[in-house]
Amino acid sequence: GENVEQHPSTLSVQEGDSAVIKCTYSDSASNYFPWYKQELGKGPQLIIDIRSNVGEKKDQRIAVTLNKTAKHFSLHITETQPEDSAVYFCAASRGYGGSQGNLIFGKGTKLSVKP
Amino acid sequence: NAGVMQNPRHLVRRRGQEARLRCSPMKGHSHVYWYRQLPEEGLKFMVYLQKENIIDESGMPKERFSAEFPKEGPSILRIQQVVRGDSAAYFCASSPGGRHQETQYFGPGTRLLVL
Repeated sequence: GENVEQHPSTLSVQEGDSAVIKCTYSDSASNYFPWYKQELGKGPQLIIDIRSNVGEKKDQRIAVTLNKTAKHFSLHITETQPEDSAVYFCAASRGYGGSQGNLIFGKGTKLSVKP
Repeated sequence: NAGVMQNPRHLVRRRGQEARLRCSPMKGHSHVYWYRQLPEEGLKFMVYLQKENIIDESGMPKERFSAEFPKEGPSILRIQQVVRGDSAAYFCASSPGGRHQETQYFGPGTRLLVL
């Protein structure tokens, strides 16, 4: 079955610096890759996603890149702010249809942004 | 613009009791996923349902766990004869049908504690 590895498990940056979180996946049939932000005591919040027909996607300070050949994708946060501090999860799925829609999650990265 | 709703937010049960977790998807969404999160871990898929149908229950334990999504009302995840190992956060996600069916939006979760 699909396996998603996420690194690093913890990341500490100074406010204003960039943060990069990387994930690799094993199932070459995966074609949908979302990123979620989870604050303490809350549910995961979708922050950005990318599909396999796209190599890069950007939304303000957040960007995601996908390398299908190498089976890895990354989250980039620029100009980090203290409110970016949270646990970030990557996930992969085969997309919609039948039993393929369920997400396989990485173990998460705890990001701390120091003011 | 109500999001995914889950209740209760916190649930305490003694070993051997039953736990019922409820999930109301976002308006217009007919697909529901349940995930379980252990402390310091990522989310693990349990079951995927559409109205009145279980599509994929491959992640749900065969015994004591059941799920339903009736024509009317919320989706229910039911855990019978709970054990301490069932203590976790249980999250529900919903998605729309159609082209972006794989995009999942999560609720705030139910934190189950088994004493």
